[in-house]
Amino acid sequence: KQEVTQIPAALSVPEGENLVLNCSFTDSAIYNLQWFRQDPGKGLTSLLLIQSSQREQTSGRLNASLDKSSGRSTLYIAASQPGDSATYLCAVRLGFKTIFGAGTRLFVKA
Amino acid sequence: DTEVTQTPKHLVMGMTNKKSLKCEQHMGHRAMYWYKQKAKKPPELMFVYSYEKLSINESVPSRFSPECPNSSLLNLHLHALQPEDSALYLCASSQDSGGGEKLFFGSGTQLSVL
Repeated sequence: KQEVTQIPAALSVPEGENLVLNCSFTDSAIYNLQWFRQDPGKGLTSLLLIQSSQREQTSGRLNASLDKSSGRSTLYIAASQPGDSATYLCAVRLGFKTIFGAGTRLFVKA
Repeated sequence: DTEVTQTPKHLVMGMTNKKSLKCEQHMGHRAMYWYKQKAKKPPELMFVYSYEKLSINESVPSRFSPECPNSSLLNLHLHALQPEDSALYLCASSQDSGGGEKLFFGSGTQLSVL
């Protein structure tokens, strides 16, 4: 059974800091991995999608990497801003199903 | 248009009520999903529709009844719910359900069952 783990569960950083969020999964037979952002009580906003054949994706200040063989992905956020405060979820796709990690709650202090 | 629209945004219902949640997308996606999310927990898959046919039911109680009238619309009919069914209900869509497509989510319906 696929399990997705995110570390840390919560993170508080001062504005301007670069940070790394970690995601690990137990079954490497994934189709893709997607990083989402969720604000309290809101839906999920897709940040980056990495296909199983890819190693990395970048969008603005965000960079996500994927090492399928070791079952790991990282989301790098450069020059963090208070507006980045949210919960960040990683999700792996296997066939019809997408399995989510429990998320990392990020707070960026001004 | 890259949006998935869900209505209503908030819903309060009694345990004897019947209500429906609605979801709409105009991206030409052929797969649509219902997820349930409890506070501070990850979303959990409930149903998957592929080409308007139910593909996956994750052993969801029959008090939740999904419907896909056409490729753009997805409904979730609610009847005789329990207080523990209170949660954020999220709709999502993708190009297909076969594998590497991106999931697009709506903003959700916050449901409270009294």
